[in-house]
Amino acid sequence: DAGITQSPRYKITETGRQVTLMCHQTWSHSYMFWYRQDLGHGLRLIYYSAAADITDKGEVPDGYVVSRSKTENFPLTLESATRSQTSVYFCASSESMGPQYFGPGTRLTVT
Amino acid sequence: SQQGEEDPQALSIQEGENATMNCSYKTSINNLQWYRQNSGRGLVHLILIRSNEREKHSGRLRVTLDTSKKSSSLLITASRAADTASYFCATATKTETSGSRLTFGEGTQLTVNP
Repeated sequence: DAGITQSPRYKITETGRQVTLMCHQTWSHSYMFWYRQDLGHGLRLIYYSAAADITDKGEVPDGYVVSRSKTENFPLTLESATRSQTSVYFCASSESMGPQYFGPGTRLTVT
Repeated sequence: SQQGEEDPQALSIQEGENATMNCSYKTSINNLQWYRQNSGRGLVHLILIRSNEREKHSGRLRVTLDTSKKSSSLLITASRAADTASYFCATATKTETSGSRLTFGEGTQLTVNP
């Protein structure tokens, strides 16, 4: 299917566990982004990538790791999950400064 | 701190009325974009206005941009119950290292009552 997909859609994990959220896009967009959205708030940028093997920190990168070995995939890893990382995570892709296309989100709960 | 700040935080109107949301930002931008988010869903792009444009229309949407005041407004005309959603402005800026990024505001929650 064309578009941008995220998996899993829902995840419950324990404090201290490593968790990886997956993001896949089929448009061959150069840019990919990870955001978190906390209840009642806007989106905050975690990491972004301008191309394969090029990543950069956003506003709130601490505790997260990303990689981009292929243009279409942009996984986000929480190395040691904390309760403050409970949030909804959105992946997006775009071409340069154009519109961003968002995935459906992953709702992560850290207990 | 947020680059874009929307005003008001919440807006409740009757079907058929117009809804206006405002966005202010702090730094120079390449373009400004508006997104809609229905409850529990991802964001959907509505409209993009470049820094050298002053007004843009798309269907029932009208966006204005005043770069001297660093502000933008989104007008939804003849609102419908289906327009009920959160609306976010986002400013696009170039970065020194990795091209470009968007910075989102906190959003305006619009409720359109039937």
